[in-house]
Amino acid sequence: AQSVTQLDSQVPVFEEAPVELRCNYSSSVSVYLFWYVQYPNQGLQLLLKYLSGSTLVKGINGFEAEFNKSQTSFHLRKPSVHISDTAEYFCAVSFHKAAGNKLTFGGGTRVLVKP
Amino acid sequence: KAGVTQTPRYLIKTRGQQVTLSCSPISGHRSVSWYQQTPGQGLQFLFEYFSETQRNKGNFPGRFSGRQFSNSRSEMNVSTLELGDSALYLCASSPGHVEETQYFGPGTRLLVL
Repeated sequence: AQSVTQLDSQVPVFEEAPVELRCNYSSSVSVYLFWYVQYPNQGLQLLLKYLSGSTLVKGINGFEAEFNKSQTSFHLRKPSVHISDTAEYFCAVSFHKAAGNKLTFGGGTRVLVKP
Repeated sequence: KAGVTQTPRYLIKTRGQQVTLSCSPISGHRSVSWYQQTPGQGLQFLFEYFSETQRNKGNFPGRFSGRQFSNSRSEMNVSTLELGDSALYLCASSPGHVEETQYFGPGTRLLVL
């Protein structure tokens, strides 16, 4: 069975500082990896995804993530955060060659950007 | 393109009742997935429908069911509601292949009293 662990439940960070959100996964088969963001009272929005190829993935709003197969990690980074980045962030995986869509999510990391 | 829409946005029910939630996917998308989000359990996959057939199912009791219509709109039903069913129910649509992005709706917040 696959599982996703987000190591930090909350991350306070000052505006314009960098932030890194950690995600580790466990799976016996190859996976696709995703990062979603959820703003208050809204659904989830895709930030970026890794399917194959370059291990450094760039997404929207200045976010990027690096896939590390040996460490089974997919950490999300942003070099300089804004107040508007205050939200909850979810890492998720799905199986390669799966019969259908099923995302397995981590527990989420709440990012609070302070002025 | 219009996004994923879910109705109603908020719902209050009492224990023992049943509820039906609706999801309209992005035009052209054939896959609709449902997720339950709670503070305690996080985001959990309920089921996925593709071309009117359930293609994938999570670990939820039979009280949770769904269906998909020929226009790809989907409904989920929860019978005999329990207090623990209080949650945000999110649906997501995609064209259908597993590597394609799933687009989420704003969710339906269900409160069971």
